[in-house]
Amino acid sequence: GAVVSQHPSRVICKSGTSVKIECRSLDFQATTMFWYRQFPKQSLMLMATSNEGSKATYEQGVEKDKFLINHASLTLSTLTVTSAHPEDSSFYICSAPWLVGTGELFFGEGSRLTVL
Amino acid sequence: DAKTTQPNSMESNEEEPVHLPCNHSTISGTDYIHWYRQLPSQGPEYVIHGLTSNVNNRMASLAIAEDRKSSTLILHRATLRDAAVYYCILRARGIQGAQKLVFGQGTRLTINP
Repeated sequence: GAVVSQHPSRVICKSGTSVKIECRSLDFQATTMFWYRQFPKQSLMLMATSNEGSKATYEQGVEKDKFLINHASLTLSTLTVTSAHPEDSSFYICSAPWLVGTGELFFGEGSRLTVL
Repeated sequence: DAKTTQPNSMESNEEEPVHLPCNHSTISGTDYIHWYRQLPSQGPEYVIHGLTSNVNNRMASLAIAEDRKSSTLILHRATLRDAAVYYCILRARGIQGAQKLVFGQGTRLTINP
């Protein structure tokens, strides 16, 4: 079946560095992908909508210069956390719709970022 | 986005049915009702969705009230692997942004052996 894969699953970095997280749709193409962030014991918070070939759409309160999203192909979206700080430590999850219009989203396994 | 209300937590026993309620009194006529679940340290997993009629699939059943202001996710025979946080989400039908899902707090389901 359709799968959405994220890489890396875990990453530890020093404060001030940038980290890139990849989200790939396997077996299908995704013109749209979604990025979520989840803090411990909290729900998922939608950060942005990644659109293939155009700019991402960010949710209110999410810094677009801090969280750079690139959707260069129909199977790959990347989220780059720039100049990471400890408060950016979180579980980042991407998702992509399987059949356009069905509303069924497939989610990646998530990427746990720890900023020291 | 129309909001949903779910109990923070529920507990059930293995091999017994589980009924997870969700209230969505402000649902519009074109909103779909979706259920996802999330196991610890994993991304959410699609469970089921519906519009007006009750729905069944291999994972669960979705019972939708006649006025659509509430719904119930039914796990017919819970197993330990069903322990997860279950999210009830409304999705507006439409073209622009139609597939964006906004998660609420969900219900943490505990299954006792």
